[in-house]
Parts: sequence; C-alpha cells; structure tokens
Amino acid sequence: DQQVKQNSPSLSVQEGRISILNCDYTNSMFDYFLWYKKYPAEGPTFLISISSIKDKNEDGRFTVFLNKSAKHLSLHIVPSQPGDSAVYFCAASGDAGGTSYGKLTFGQGTILTVHP
Amino acid sequence: DAGITQSPRHKVTETGTPVTLRCHQTENHRYMYWYRQDPGHGLRLIHYSYGVKDTDKGEVSDGYSVSRSKTEDFLLTLESATSSQTSVYFCAIGTPRQGGNIQYFGAGTRLSVL
Repeated sequence: DQQVKQNSPSLSVQEGRISILNCDYTNSMFDYFLWYKKYPAEGPTFLISISSIKDKNEDGRFTVFLNKSAKHLSLHIVPSQPGDSAVYFCAASGDAGGTSYGKLTFGQGTILTVHP
Repeated sequence: DAGITQSPRHKVTETGTPVTLRCHQTENHRYMYWYRQDPGHGLRLIHYSYGVKDTDKGEVSDGYSVSRSKTEDFLLTLESATSSQTSVYFCAIGTPRQGGNIQYFGAGTRLSVL
C-alpha cells in the first residue's frame, strides 16, 4: 500500500521555465509534508516543508502547495536551472503531538532534468 | 552539514555473512533513522531510535536489527546478509521544527550482497 505516490517518474523542463512536481497521499493522518532533492551518490537534501495548517510555503525559487481536500501537494521551481536536475522526493509524516517520532513515508521520486 | 557520518561508504559481502553499518552524529540529536533506497520504492524506513536504547521497527525491518548504546551512534546489523538486501542505506537524524520534524541525511552506504 503506497501511501505517498509520485506518479510521474520523470520531468523534462527548459532552463528558465517553471518545474512542477506532484505528489499524492492517501493517509489523512499525515500532517507534515517535505520535499527532498537527491543527486547521484549523495544523501537526500531537505528543500522545503509545509504543515497541514497552511496551504502554501515559499522559500526563494521553491514553493510548495498543499491541497488537503484532494490529498495533493506540489513543488514549484521558478525559474528552473540546470543545477536543479536531480531526483525529487516528497515525504509525509503524521507528527501531531509527537506520536510518530518524526517517521517519514516517501514517494518513489521524480527525476527532473532541466535543459540549458 | 548536519554532522552525520556513515561508514563504510561501500561494502561488498557474501550471502550469509553478518554486516554492520555505522551512523555517527556530532550534534546530540535524539531521533535517528535507517532507510534503504531501491529503484521504484523511494526510501523505506527500516528502524528508528528515539533515544539511547530506545528503538523500534519501521516498514521493512525483517532481517535487520539496530542498536543505540550512545546518543551519537546508531548501528544497523544484517545478521545474515541476503541478495535482497543489496541496496543503498541512508542514516538520518531528526530535528524538531514547528509543526513537524525535519530529517537530515548522511551520504549513504552502498551495500552489495553477492
């Protein structure tokens, strides 16, 4: 049972344009969502997060949107740069009250390629 | 840099041999985690720890055990390695933030079981 799904295995975008990465979840107990970026032979790097009490969080070129009714979140990267080419993972936790010890459930990942 | 060191970075071993992977952190974080990454599966939680000697199972714990005798070290042991345990293993530490817990990852250990 895949509780967090990234249905697009790959995405190709031109430099300077917007990249939109999508993620769906099924567990309504999830209340904290994160995006990670991963380069080959390195560990995942934290990008941005959002709590379920918000519907948008922005950090520089990165914006995460959360639609709780649709159980959907997306990561927007504007403008996209060749250095953004990597695998992007969304992750979710049900950390309300600290009862889940911060455990994360990850999606399968989306390979983003930004062409110069 | 979250001060996480994984060792070894690469290991090749034979089926049936025991293997121990080490995760060392320098910042006294309470929460530590072991994940494995496989194609098509993202990262899956193996075991986690919420304090010294306090550990619990994750999603894919069969065939793995862990120990945490000191805050800074979290060990993952494959008692008798199998080919299905060929994977990339990541350790993470958890840092509480408002609304949630952000995890920071080590560089990973690539394990091949022949």
